[in-house]
Amino acid sequence: QQQVRQSSQSLTVWEGETAILNCSYENSAFDYFPWYQQFPGEGPALLIAIRSVSDKKEDGRFTIFFNKREKNLSLHIKDSQPGDSATYFCAASASSGSWQLIFGSGTQLTVMP
Amino acid sequence: DPKIIQKPKYLVAVTGSEKILICEQYLGHNAMYWYRQSAKKPLEFMFSYSYQKLMDNQTASSRFQPQSSKKNHLDLQITALKPDDSATYFCASSQDLGVGQNTLYFGAGTRLSVL
Repeated sequence: QQQVRQSSQSLTVWEGETAILNCSYENSAFDYFPWYQQFPGEGPALLIAIRSVSDKKEDGRFTIFFNKREKNLSLHIKDSQPGDSATYFCAASASSGSWQLIFGSGTQLTVMP
Repeated sequence: DPKIIQKPKYLVAVTGSEKILICEQYLGHNAMYWYRQSAKKPLEFMFSYSYQKLMDNQTASSRFQPQSSKKNHLDLQITALKPDDSATYFCASSQDLGVGQNTLYFGAGTRLSVL
């Protein structure tokens, strides 16, 4: 059973819209949640991350909303641009003594001009 | 310039053969990792190393052997290759162990196809 689940395999939005990517997790010990962005032919790169003590983290056009009680989080990409077209991975880790990130299967975002 | 270099970018192998995937990082990091990305599966943690010492191994098969000849090198030797080993293998690094405190940086990957 997947510990980190991304509900949509793919998402298409128009340029200028807000893209919303959803993620849920199983393990209550997870307390660190990064989102990674991956372009074709490249490795994943950290986009933004949140810790479970917060319910929101904002960085420019990217915002994470976190709901600890429901064990879910979402990445909002405001004013989406065609250059945001990529695969987005939600990941999770228990920060205490953990050496691995558990990744979701990714959501492929396409932003249409 | 890429700071984590993986070689080769593409690799084709025959079933039963052995290959070595190369990884070097120039970020001055103390921890290095291997992850695997197969079709229809999430990125999967394989190994973590800290100061050239194996810290965690989540790979069930002994056919996968990491090798660290220098602090900034972590190669991956795969023996007796099977078609199921076909995947993109990503090397990653972080300043120190502990992904909650240290950002993980990934290389561009080696795409392995086993025929």
